[in-house]
Amino acid sequence: AQSVTQLDSHVSVSEGTPVLLRCNYSSSYSPSLFWYVQHPNKGLQLLLKYTSAATLVKGINGFEAEFKKSETSFHLTKPSAHMSDAAEYFCVVTVGSSGGSYIPTFGRGTSLIVHP
Amino acid sequence: EAQVTQNPRYLITVTGKKLTVTCSQNMNHEYMSWYRQDPGLGLRQIYYSMNVEVTDKGDVPEGYKVSRKEKRNFPLILESPSPNQTSLYFCASSLSVGQGTDTQYFGPGTRLTVL
Repeated sequence: AQSVTQLDSHVSVSEGTPVLLRCNYSSSYSPSLFWYVQHPNKGLQLLLKYTSAATLVKGINGFEAEFKKSETSFHLTKPSAHMSDAAEYFCVVTVGSSGGSYIPTFGRGTSLIVHP
Repeated sequence: EAQVTQNPRYLITVTGKKLTVTCSQNMNHEYMSWYRQDPGLGLRQIYYSMNVEVTDKGDVPEGYKVSRKEKRNFPLILESPSPNQTSLYFCASSLSVGQGTDTQYFGPGTRLTVL
């Protein structure tokens, strides 16, 4: 069984300041971890993913995340927030099975608010 | 352009009136799935399909049906909708079943209201 917890439902930052969105996961096996972003009235778009290669993962629009197995965390960061970063962010964990099927588990989402 | 399309984008219906939400992808992806998104709950998988004629239940399959007769299409069927199925629905696809490492590509969403 797997689970994912996004520790903040809302994060508010000023434009130009750092962003930190926190995600903790639980998994019995080696997981793949993803961050997706959802802008208002849009579908979800991949920001970045970890699939057992480098633990520091760089994504689009200046975002990055670090996989820390000892802390079971995959926090998303960005050095400097932009107004266009205001959106809902989802942390996702998946674990493959021998049959080739998998059910992704989504966190409940973190709403990022960026103030001018 | 590579994309996942859904129709309709918005739908208001009444309890018990059968409806179908279509989903189509043009990327030759093997894996397709349906999710519902409810406030404070994130996305929950309804059904998924690993290939043509191969479908399986996700976390919340009750009240839904799916079919996968062609690789590109994966319609979601609500045979007797109820108000608790009012939600935002997303279709998604990924290249292969793999080990869960593939990126999912999402459609724009269908907002369903059941009165």
